[in-house]
Amino acid sequence: KNEVEQSPQNLTAQEGEFITINCSYSVGISALHWLQQHPGGGIVSLFMLSSGKKKHGRLIATINIQEKHSSLHITASHPRDSAVYICAVRTLDSNYQLIWGAGTKLIIKP
Amino acid sequence: NAGVTQTPKFQVLKTGQSMTLQCAQDMNHEYMSWYRQDPGMGLRLIHYSVGAGITDQGEVPNGYNVSRSTTEDFPLRLLSAAPSQTSVYFCASSYRRNQETQYFGPGTRLLVL
Repeated sequence: KNEVEQSPQNLTAQEGEFITINCSYSVGISALHWLQQHPGGGIVSLFMLSSGKKKHGRLIATINIQEKHSSLHITASHPRDSAVYICAVRTLDSNYQLIWGAGTKLIIKP
Repeated sequence: NAGVTQTPKFQVLKTGQSMTLQCAQDMNHEYMSWYRQDPGMGLRLIHYSVGAGITDQGEVPNGYNVSRSTTEDFPLRLLSAAPSQTSVYFCASSYRRNQETQYFGPGTRLLVL
């Protein structure tokens, strides 16, 4: 069983829809990261969370440490949000390494 | 700032050939790392460095060597390429090990025939 599981693997939605991508993990963590990988391959860090919620523009990330679960929400989705969204956790036993989810491929249709 | 740069962008090798993937950053970051990305799998850490002269193995180090003679550069060497090393390779850096933002290079697509 993977230590970091993302769902769904693929998501197609219409422009304007509210998007939720989920990340569940099975290990103790010190932090959780959300990243975005553009169709061209570039990877950009979006958030790092250790508790609660963070918001940046139309992106909102939440984490529930007790349930070992995080969600990434996109409000008023736009075709330019089409990308692969990746969750990664920094485990408690190593501050240098991240365990990565396989990613959620999001397509927003106009 | 150029950020994190990687060269080449694309490379084709024959089995047994050697090559070096270059990675450089101009942000004075202490921490640098190399990942490989394969279809359907998450990024996997190959090697990392917490400062000049200090390197360590990640999850999948076999077949790869690294060195960190300067803060700026962190090359990845394939000594004898194998088809299993066909992948996309990303270099990343951050100021400290726990910094919120990791900066990624554009990636190197490697095909080993």
